[in-house]
Amino acid sequence: GENVEQHPSTLSVQEGDSAVIKCTYSDSASNYFPWYKQELGKRPQLIIDIRSNVGEKKDQRIAVTLNKTAKHFSLHITETQPEDSAVYFCAAHSGSARQLTFGSGTQLTVLP
Amino acid sequence: GAGVSQSPSNKVTEKGKDVELRCDPISGHTALYWYRQSLGQGLEFLIYFQGNSAPDKSGLPSDRFSAERTGGSVSTLTIQRTQQEDSAVYLCASSTSSDTQYFGPGTRLTVL
Repeated sequence: GENVEQHPSTLSVQEGDSAVIKCTYSDSASNYFPWYKQELGKRPQLIIDIRSNVGEKKDQRIAVTLNKTAKHFSLHITETQPEDSAVYFCAAHSGSARQLTFGSGTQLTVLP
Repeated sequence: GAGVSQSPSNKVTEKGKDVELRCDPISGHTALYWYRQSLGQGLEFLIYFQGNSAPDKSGLPSDRFSAERTGGSVSTLTIQRTQQEDSAVYLCASSTSSDTQYFGPGTRLTVL
């Protein structure tokens, strides 16, 4: 089955700096890669996603890149703000398995 | 419109008791997922329902766990003879064929 590895597990950045979180996946059939943000005690919220037919997607300060050959994808947050502090999860969706496999999460702390 | 809802929001039970957790998906969503999230951990897949197809139960940790989905809408996750290691937040998500999953607020289960 699919295996998703995510790193780093914790990341601290100064406000205004950029943050990058990386994930690798094992199943070459995976074709959908969402990123979720989970604030303490809250539900995971979708912040951006990418499908395998594109290499990059951007939404304001957030961007995701996908390298299908290397089977890795990354989340980029620019001009970080304290409210970006949360746990971020990547996931991969295999069309055959019809379910998401999640990474282990990254605790992002933006220091004011 | 209304998002995914779950009840109860918190459940405290004694070891050995049975519990039922409920999930109301977004109207029209054909797929429904259950996940378990232990404190500070990632999302562990439990079970997946898609329309009238047989559910994917591959993530259920033991035969004490079961789930059903009545009428293609509401789902109930049942844990029999609860153990302390069952303590976690149980999250439900639903999606359409686009694969984007939307999460409910979760049920925090504490087994004493």
